[in-house]
Amino acid sequence: GQNIDQPTEMTATEGAIVQINCTYQTSGFNGLFWYQQHAGEAPTFLSYNVLDGLEEKGRFSSFLSRSKGYSYLLLKELQMKDSASYLCALDSGGYQKVTFGTGTKLQVIP
Amino acid sequence: DARVTQTPRDKVTEMGQEVTMRCQPILGHNTVFWYRQTMMQGLELLAYFRNRAPLDDSGMPKDRFSAEMPDATLATLKIQPSEPRDSAVYFCASGPQGGGGYTFGSGTRLTVV
Repeated sequence: GQNIDQPTEMTATEGAIVQINCTYQTSGFNGLFWYQQHAGEAPTFLSYNVLDGLEEKGRFSSFLSRSKGYSYLLLKELQMKDSASYLCALDSGGYQKVTFGTGTKLQVIP
Repeated sequence: DARVTQTPRDKVTEMGQEVTMRCQPILGHNTVFWYRQTMMQGLELLAYFRNRAPLDDSGMPKDRFSAEMPDATLATLKIQPSEPRDSAVYFCASGPQGGGGYTFGSGTRLTVV
C-alpha cells in the first residue's frame, strides 16, 4: 500500500516564500504530482516530478528525493490568490494509478 | 481550452434513490479516474479506466457503486441505492497515455438526505 503525509494547515505572509512538504511510503512509483485546489473548485495540475531534484516553473518549484521518500512544493512571492489546498499525489503501478494525500491548506495573510 | 465535463453539477436526492453521474473526458485522453472528496477523507480513488477497460475499482463499495465507460466519450458512476454517507463531491479526471498531468472536471456535489 501507500502512505502519503502532508501538514494539514499552514499560514504564510504575502510576498514571502513557503515550503509545503510531502512524505510518502510506497513500494515503488512512476512520479509524484502536486495539484492546487481552491475552495469549491476542482484540483488543477501544478507539477509532475519523475527524477530527483528541483523543477522550477515560475513562482512554483517542486522537489523530489526518492531515497528520502520526500517531496516539497516551494511557492515564492506569495500572493493572496495562492490561498488554497495543495495536494501531493503518487503515480504508481504499471497502469499509473494516482492516489492523493489529504492536502495542505495554505492561508496567505497580508 | 479542452475540458472534462461533468453532469450534473449538483444533485440532491433522497436516501434509497439511484444516482447517475456522467463525465465526458477530454478528446483523445485514454485514462479516466473517478474520485470522491470529503472533508474527512480527502480525495479517494474510486475507480479508473484505461482505454475504456476498468483497471482498478477496489476503492469503490461494490454492493452499491458501479462505474462504466460505454464509449470513449462517456464515463458513468452510479450509486444504487444511495445513502446519506455517500454525500460528497465526485470528481472525474482524464489524462493522456503516458501519464503526466491529469485534468479534473468541475465535480458533482451530491447530497443524500
